[in-house]
Amino acid sequence: QKEVEQNSGPLSVPEGAIASLNCTYSDRVSQSFFWYRQYSGKSPELIMSIYSNGDKEDGRFTAQLNKASQYVSLLIRDSQPSDSATYLCAVPLDGGKLIFGQGTELSVKP
Amino acid sequence: SAVISQKPSRDICQRGTSLTIQCQVDSQVTMMFWYRQQPGQSLTLIATANQGSEATYESGFVIDKFPISRPNLTFSTLTVSNMSPEDSSIYLCSVEGTSGVTYEQYFGPGTRLTVT
Repeated sequence: QKEVEQNSGPLSVPEGAIASLNCTYSDRVSQSFFWYRQYSGKSPELIMSIYSNGDKEDGRFTAQLNKASQYVSLLIRDSQPSDSATYLCAVPLDGGKLIFGQGTELSVKP
Repeated sequence: SAVISQKPSRDICQRGTSLTIQCQVDSQVTMMFWYRQQPGQSLTLIATANQGSEATYESGFVIDKFPISRPNLTFSTLTVSNMSPEDSSIYLCSVEGTSGVTYEQYFGPGTRLTVT
């Protein structure tokens, strides 16, 4: 059974701080990894994909991948109240289907 | 990324009835998927909607309960049959696109179903 694990949170950080979200996965052959943001009552929105070991930066977001440790993280710098949402880690399986972690709820306090 | 719409956006249904959810994409896509998100939970894949052939269902989901159609490369429907309160969830369709480097999945706005 392939699994994706995330800290369920909630994770609370003050405005302007760095939020760190973590994800581990059990499938050693996974090549791509995705972070989705889901606001309450909305559908998931893709905010980051990463497929190479190391860091990938996009604005205030940085994804970090370590395939040997089967670990992927998402850092949000200068966190804003508008970043308050649930962040979902997803790993693709054969046929393109995604398996999701349980999500981490992030709350950024003004 | 593709623009995805779903109808209806929400509905309240009586137990024992059926609801068909539509998913429309503004461009042709090969892969379409249907997910369920139960209250307070993450997303679970129901099935892959295959164009021109029967859908591929995940463990725990069966065609009699969740029949799926995929008549062309821009449209799919999911029917939730003989509904019970346990079917109250958000149902999401997704499509696969490419960033040029890797395949990525994009979600429609979802259909919020409440079964009474």
